[in-house]
Amino acid sequence: EAGVTQFPSHSVIEKGQTVTLRCDPISGHDNLYWYRRVMGKEIKFLLHFVKESKQDESGMPNNRFLAERTGGTYSTLKVQPAELEDSGVYFCASSRGQGWTKSYEQYFGPGTRLTVT
Amino acid sequence: AQKVTQAQTEISVVEKEDVTLDCVYETRDTTYYLFWYKQPPSGELVFLIRRNSFDEQNEISGRYSWNFQKSTSSFNFTITASQVVDSAVYFCALSSGSARQLTFGSGTQLTVLP
Repeated sequence: EAGVTQFPSHSVIEKGQTVTLRCDPISGHDNLYWYRRVMGKEIKFLLHFVKESKQDESGMPNNRFLAERTGGTYSTLKVQPAELEDSGVYFCASSRGQGWTKSYEQYFGPGTRLTVT
Repeated sequence: AQKVTQAQTEISVVEKEDVTLDCVYETRDTTYYLFWYKQPPSGELVFLIRRNSFDEQNEISGRYSWNFQKSTSSFNFTITASQVVDSAVYFCALSSGSARQLTFGSGTQLTVLP
């Protein structure tokens, strides 16, 4: 089966611009997660979707970040307006739905490297 | 609160040496899951293993082995007879309670020299 894919792989934008990151989870995976790693820091959780619903968005840094998962398939993460401190690598992960024994195993995409100048 | 500590920032070994990557975790939950991920130079995070808190049995998969000890809150990862292709950043992670989110350690950069 195809893995988690993310687009674009790299994005360079100026401060104040808007960027939209896309994640396509593994087919059939109900759970979708966004994480990010800013320079020199740990990988941090942003939010968790179960199908199209936001299950946990406690990690979203502020209201400049908006995540959607229309139809419970792919997800987008929009940053508007982007700030310098938003630079980093944004990872998406997916896992099977609850009830599966492996529902805790998250499979990650290659990440999107965002550079805000 | 959850926390994962990987005290080793960088490790360098010569090919065929054994190497152990340390991971210490903190959680107040009695049910939790521990993970190891590998991040090769290409950037993606590759799932290696998941361990449940109620299963302390150690696991071996080829050259990889994992030692889970609840008494010391550790989940160490050993690579036997290391190879150059093992060079990567390795992350230990924790998921506990009802939350599904992963708490990551800061990662250990492993370099295997030929």
